[in-house]
Amino acid sequence: TQLLEQSPQFLSIQEGENLTVYCNSSSVFSSLQWYRQEPGEGPVLLVTVVTGGEVKKLKRLTFQFGDARKDSSLHITAAQTGDTGLYLCVPQGPGTYKYIFGTGTRLKVLA
Amino acid sequence: KAGVTQTPRYLIKTRGQQVTLSCSPISGHRSVSWYQQTPGQGLQFLFEYFSETQRNKGNFPGRFSGRQFSNSRSEMNVSTLELGDSALYLCASSLHRDRGRDTQYFGPGTRLTVL
Repeated sequence: TQLLEQSPQFLSIQEGENLTVYCNSSSVFSSLQWYRQEPGEGPVLLVTVVTGGEVKKLKRLTFQFGDARKDSSLHITAAQTGDTGLYLCVPQGPGTYKYIFGTGTRLKVLA
Repeated sequence: KAGVTQTPRYLIKTRGQQVTLSCSPISGHRSVSWYQQTPGQGLQFLFEYFSETQRNKGNFPGRFSGRQFSNSRSEMNVSTLELGDSALYLCASSLHRDRGRDTQYFGPGTRLTVL
C-alpha cells in the first residue's frame, strides 16, 4: 500500500484548460511539499503547505492542504505548455516520511 | 550559488559490471540523499548521508552502496549490475539532517542503462 496516492496518474489536456490533481493519504503529516519534474531534470520544489486548510497560490497554480492534513490538491488555471511535467507530493514530518514521494501525476499540456 | 551536480549524466553498462555515480551538493549543504526513479516504481529512496555517516537506508539490496566525503560530496556504487537497475538516479542535498520542513534540492540525475 502506497503511503501517498496521487490522482490522476496521467492527464493530457489542451492549453487554456483548468485541471486539478490530488494527493491523498490515510496518515496525518505536519506539512506537505509539491515538486514538479520536467523531462530530463530533477524535481524542483514548488510549494510547502503547513497548516490544515491552508491555500497557497503560485501564479496560476493553487495549492490546498486538507483540513485534517492528510491530503492536498493542486489546481492549475489556464494551463500552458510550460506546465508539462511530473507533479509529485512528499510529506514532511518525523521519521521516514520525508523520503517517500507520491506516485506522481504526469501532466501533458498540448498547444 | 551553484546547484546540485551529478556526473556522469548518462551511462551505459552491461550486466555484471559495476558503476559509480557522483554527486556534488550545494555549497553548505551537509545532507545528501539518493533516489532511484523508474517508470514502474516512481521515486524510491536509496540512502541518506549526513556528515559522512549513513543515516537512513531504503529497501534496496546490498549491491547498492554509498559514501560521503568530508566536503559533503557523495558517491553511490552499484555492483553486479542487473537489467532492472536501469533507471534515473537522483541525488538531493539539503541543509539539515533532521529535515522536518527542510527542502531537498535535486540534481539533474544520472541515466543508467544496463544492457
